[in-house]
Amino acid sequence: NAGVMQNPRHLVRRRGQEARLRCSPMKGHSHVYWYRQLPEEGLKFMVYLQKENIIDESGMPKERFSAEFPKEGPSILRIQQVVRGDSAAYFCASSPPGQIGDSPLHFGNGTRLTVT
Amino acid sequence: AQKITQTQPGMFVQEKEAVTLDCTYDTSDQSYGLFWYKQPSSGEMIFLIYQGSYDEQNATEGRYSLNFQKARKSANLVISASQLGDSAMYFCAMREHPPGGNNRLAFGKGNQVVVIP
Repeated sequence: NAGVMQNPRHLVRRRGQEARLRCSPMKGHSHVYWYRQLPEEGLKFMVYLQKENIIDESGMPKERFSAEFPKEGPSILRIQQVVRGDSAAYFCASSPPGQIGDSPLHFGNGTRLTVT
Repeated sequence: AQKITQTQPGMFVQEKEAVTLDCTYDTSDQSYGLFWYKQPSSGEMIFLIYQGSYDEQNATEGRYSLNFQKARKSANLVISASQLGDSAMYFCAMREHPPGGNNRLAFGKGNQVVVIP
């Protein structure tokens, strides 16, 4: 039973380009959470999605960032016109539907984005 | 507002010694959960231990235990008999219970631990 799969593991983009980060949740999970980790910082919540719905985007920057979780395929975090400050590790986690109580969120290995 | 506070500077601990990592939290919820994760230099996030707000016993998981003091809103992680492989960043996280099945976690900034032989 594969865990949360993220790709690519490392991504290098020049300023102004677009970055697309992919996340495939664990089997049976239909909820996805994206987090960003800046250097020397903890994980900051960005967005929570269910299939075809954004439920909570309270942590998403207002511009250039978007996320989707289509009916088929992985969840995508998209960053348009990247800037150096977007350089960070981006983690995805998934959960099954409903409250999961004492169960932890299981994270993918992250995508390390470097903007040059 | 910061919900999870981890303020210790980087810590060096002798192999086989115990180390305590501090975590304080802020919530007005009666029901919440506290989690600790380990992040080694390779970068993945590894779940270690969980404590529920209504649990009367402190959680234990192998060499990991939680010193949970609800009135003080603290959930300190204790690692006993440190091993070289324990060198990592350690993050405290909290789950409140917003409606709609949102299981998101709020993380602290982490504690750096280096185990020396």
